[in-house]
Amino acid sequence: GAVVSQHPSRVICKSGTSVKIECRSLDFQATTMFWYRQFPKKSLMLMATSNEGSKATYEQGVEKDKFLINHASLTLSTLTVTSAHPEDSSFYICSAPRTGPITDTQYFGPGTRLTVL
Amino acid sequence: KQEVTQIPAALSVPEGENLVLNCSFTDSAIYNLQWFRQDPGKGLTSLLLIQSSQREQTSGRLNASLDKSSGRSTLYIAASQPGDSATYLCAPSGSARQLTFGSGTQLTVLP
Repeated sequence: GAVVSQHPSRVICKSGTSVKIECRSLDFQATTMFWYRQFPKKSLMLMATSNEGSKATYEQGVEKDKFLINHASLTLSTLTVTSAHPEDSSFYICSAPRTGPITDTQYFGPGTRLTVL
Repeated sequence: KQEVTQIPAALSVPEGENLVLNCSFTDSAIYNLQWFRQDPGKGLTSLLLIQSSQREQTSGRLNASLDKSSGRSTLYIAASQPGDSATYLCAPSGSARQLTFGSGTQLTVLP
């Protein structure tokens, strides 16, 4: 079946540093990928849509200069949290839709837990 | 803007019971709807996908129904097992394939 990977699975960094998270579709191409964040005991909130070959589309309230998204290829999207602060600590998950004969199915990565000290 | 509500927020049942988890959404113009399972600290596992033109989908002990016009979906779990303990998330998909998640139902099945 379709697999989406994320790297790293867990990262701890100091306040003020930048952290890059990778999302890869392993056995299919994805012109679009989605980035979500999840706070403890809360649901997933869509942050942005990553588009291969063009700029990402950010949801209202998400700072595009803080959360840089680059869709480098048809199988890779990266999310960079710039100048991270403790309030950025969260669980970040990416997803990629795979086009099927009838409909698209979203496949999710395993998530990246970011802790900013 | 799509809003998704899941009821109940938490549920604790003895093993063997049949369960119904409810999901409602405000915008009926959906592309499809997926039910996911999330274990603590983990990513999401897709359980069932219902196309907007379908009424239900079944996989093993799971059955999901969709009433798009009324903005409702239910997930039915038959003969629940302790291994079913997890948070269940409902997520309708918009035309751009983006998902909107409910807050989930945290299920605990007691042995």
